[in-house]
Amino acid sequence: GAVVSQHPSRVICKSGTSVKIECRSLDFQATTMFWYRQFPKQSLMLMATSNEGSKATYEQGVEKDKFLINHASLTLSTLTVTSAHPEDSSFYICSAAAGGMSSYEQYFGPGTRLTVT
Amino acid sequence: AQSVTQPDIHITVSEGASLELRCNYSYGATPYLFWYVQSPGQGLQLLLKYFSGDTLVQGIKGFEAEFKRSQSSFNLRKPSVHWSDAAEYFCAVGNAGNMLTFGGGTRLMVKP
Repeated sequence: GAVVSQHPSRVICKSGTSVKIECRSLDFQATTMFWYRQFPKQSLMLMATSNEGSKATYEQGVEKDKFLINHASLTLSTLTVTSAHPEDSSFYICSAAAGGMSSYEQYFGPGTRLTVT
Repeated sequence: AQSVTQPDIHITVSEGASLELRCNYSYGATPYLFWYVQSPGQGLQLLLKYFSGDTLVQGIKGFEAEFKRSQSSFNLRKPSVHWSDAAEYFCAVGNAGNMLTFGGGTRLMVKP
């Protein structure tokens, strides 16, 4: 149980285009989803937190107009990188948390490698 | 604000040797503590977690960790390392708002 998927696993896009990454909780309802960014050989940095049906809460320094997050249902959140540039190339990981006591635990997706050329 | 420190960026151990990865945290209340493992290009897999109760917690793959409040530590241990354990290990502290703060990670290399 508690499986989170991400799609695509890898994506290459041209500078100036937008790319959407999907994060799905496959066997539970995720009241909260998180988006992280990980640079090579570094730790995970939280970008934003989203609750179903609400606007996402972005961490300081993360451009909300560049990284659009939608959490339209209890099983799906999307991250859209708009007008991507090479510096946006990174490994993006989502996680999902269910409600109740287990809300202290996040279940992570396999990550999406974004390369902007 | 909560924070996590993993003092060792790299650790190399011989296969079959014991392992201890250090983690120190800073948090004002009772912490929720986690250890995750990440293989190259992959997401994070939960090894174990501490919420309350017994301070020695058992996890998957033969790992265990001990919560020591007096030392603000949550070190990860394994009595005998296997080559497949080579990966990046992250310690994290969580709060009641689901927020996780990760340490910088420790890269484990295993010598044959």
